Amino acid sequence: QVQLQQSGPGLVKPSQTLSLTCAISGDSVSSSSVTWNWIRQSPSRGLEWLGRTYYKSKWYNDYAVSMKSRITINPDTSRNRFSLQLSSVTPEDTAVYYCARNAYSSGNNAGFDHWGQGTLVTVSS
Amino acid sequence: DIVMTQSPLSLPVSPGEPASISCRSSQSLLHGNGYNFLHWYLQKPGQSPQLLIYLASNRASGVPDRFSGSGSGTDFTLKISRVEAEDVGVYYCMQALQASFTFGPGTKVDIK
Repeated sequence: QVQLQQSGPGLVKPSQTLSLTCAISGDSVSSSSVTWNWIRQSPSRGLEWLGRTYYKSKWYNDYAVSMKSRITINPDTSRNRFSLQLSSVTPEDTAVYYCARNAYSSGNNAGFDHWGQGTLVTVSS
Repeated sequence: DIVMTQSPLSLPVSPGEPASISCRSSQSLLHGNGYNFLHWYLQKPGQSPQLLIYLASNRASGVPDRFSGSGSGTDFTLKISRVEAEDVGVYYCMQALQASFTFGPGTKVDIK
């Protein structure tokens, strides 16, 4: 049974870096049949996909264009988890952040089938 | 980015009655392999979203058969044959043809 457990601070000061971790149980961050994603949700922007990391013979990352200059998603194979770092945050980055596994069926994207519990991150001084 | 729209944005339904939600995309989600890269999620109050339907018409594991998805190209529909109290929440469609994936604004379903 796949479970994703998020951790990280709920309050970040403006201009600092937001850091969250998603610990995986029941699957491997190195699995070549899934991708590992970060998504956020705010009243003003709704659900917003931020980026992903995945392994297919080597590690790949894809990021939302709107995030590209500020975001880093890294796998941690030794601890079977992956992380999100978002730099230079502003109050507009206040949101609930989710990690999620994207499954594939016969090579086709089959949706985010497992989600973390969500972390409310507030950007405020 | 592909823009997703949904209607209605609010849907009060009586228990046992059917419900239908429409989702439209700004460009076709039909892949060359014949699959439509459109998924549906339900976010129950206070919970993370959960996958209901993937690739437009496939129920996710554990999803009751009263939920069904249809459509192709740019127009999709989620139907609930008989709404139950546990179905309340916000329903989202999401395109998975292009990363950056994008979600619709959500349709809030509640019980009359």
